[in-house]
Amino acid sequence: EDQVTQSPEALRLQEGESSSLNCSYTVSGLRGLFWYRQDPGKGPEFLFTLYSAGEEKEKERLKATLTKKESFLHITAPKPEDSATYLCAVRNQGGSEKLVFGKGTKLTVNP
Amino acid sequence: DTGVSQNPRHKITKRGQNVTFRCDPISEHNRLYWYRQTLGQGPEFLTYFQNEAQLEKSRLLSDRFSAERPKGSFSTLEIQRTEQGDSAMYLCASRDSSYGYTFGSGTRLTVV
Repeated sequence: EDQVTQSPEALRLQEGESSSLNCSYTVSGLRGLFWYRQDPGKGPEFLFTLYSAGEEKEKERLKATLTKKESFLHITAPKPEDSATYLCAVRNQGGSEKLVFGKGTKLTVNP
Repeated sequence: DTGVSQNPRHKITKRGQNVTFRCDPISEHNRLYWYRQTLGQGPEFLTYFQNEAQLEKSRLLSDRFSAERPKGSFSTLEIQRTEQGDSAMYLCASRDSSYGYTFGSGTRLTVV
């Protein structure tokens, strides 16, 4: 069964203090790994899709990387508005359309 | 393109009552998904439609849950005889043949 584990569960940073969030996964053939941002009381907001090991994608202060076992979301010089829960999800190469999510990392950036 | 729209945003119901939620996907998206999210957890897949056909259902979708997508446009999710364990955020997502899954803001259900 596909599994996603995210760490840490919560992370507090000072504004400008760079760090990384981890997403470890086991999947029967990876069809895609997804990163989402979720603000309280709202639905997940799409950030990135990664398809194969070695792939990297960037958006503003965020950079996502992928290996065969895990993905990292690097946050460079974060701002308070980056505070949110970051969710990782995988889709396998079988016929299923479902995304399997981790529990997320709650990021708080203090000014 | 106004995104994925879900109604109502919040629903409080008494245990044993039936509730129905609505999802309007992005108009050109033929794939529609329902997920459930409880506090501190990631979303869990419930069911998937391609056009009007329900092609995949999770084991989480008990007999009390039913979803429809008549005419392949909006979708409804009904929960019969609600239980306190049904309290959660119900999320709808849609996509076209590309890879972008777009989520709505969800319907928060509280069963008292």
